[in-house]
Amino acid sequence: SQTIHQWPATLVQPVGSPLSLECTVEGTSNPNLYWYRQAAGRGLQLLFYSVGIGQISSEVPQNLSASRPQDRQFILSSKKLLLSDSGFYLCAWRPGTLRDGYTFGSGTRLTVV
Amino acid sequence: GENVEQHPSTLSVQEGDSAVIKCTYSDSASNYFPWYKQELGKGPQLIIDIRSNVGEKKDQRIAVTLNKTAKHFSLHITETQPEDSAVYFCAASPLYSSASKIIFGSGTRLSIRP
Repeated sequence: SQTIHQWPATLVQPVGSPLSLECTVEGTSNPNLYWYRQAAGRGLQLLFYSVGIGQISSEVPQNLSASRPQDRQFILSSKKLLLSDSGFYLCAWRPGTLRDGYTFGSGTRLTVV
Repeated sequence: GENVEQHPSTLSVQEGDSAVIKCTYSDSASNYFPWYKQELGKGPQLIIDIRSNVGEKKDQRIAVTLNKTAKHFSLHITETQPEDSAVYFCAASPLYSSASKIIFGSGTRLSIRP
């Protein structure tokens, strides 16, 4: 069966520090991968998605970047965090055949102080 | 671009009563409509989905209806229980698209009163 792993679960980082959040998927090949951000009490904002290794599409101009160095690995990064980067970050995957919906990871709660 | 509107934003119902959440979508190419439940501090979980070749789908106390002509779809929860309290998101997506994105509604916070 397929599983998605996302870590860390919580993170407190000072303003100006770098960020690296990692997401991996097991049990499938060629998944479509997504990064979402959710502000407190708000909806799901799509940040990046990837349909293959090295292929990244950005939805919102911002202080963040994403990379996909391997088929089942998706990384969200920042060189210098801003207070506004605080939020709940969710990784998700979808079969490359698109026959089903997303499966979300458990999320990372990021607080920038 | 694609848009999914969801109503209401908050909903409070008495335990045992029914809850209905409604969504509309703008992209006529959408043919896959999932619903997600998000509990506090957790990632959203798929609870039911429907494809455009059917008008209704039911799974125990949860049902979803789809009206493609009107571009409406709804989630129905019967005999609500305290564990149904959560935020619910509707979504729409074309099943076969190079973009492969799913467009989410803004969410409904459902509270079940004991």
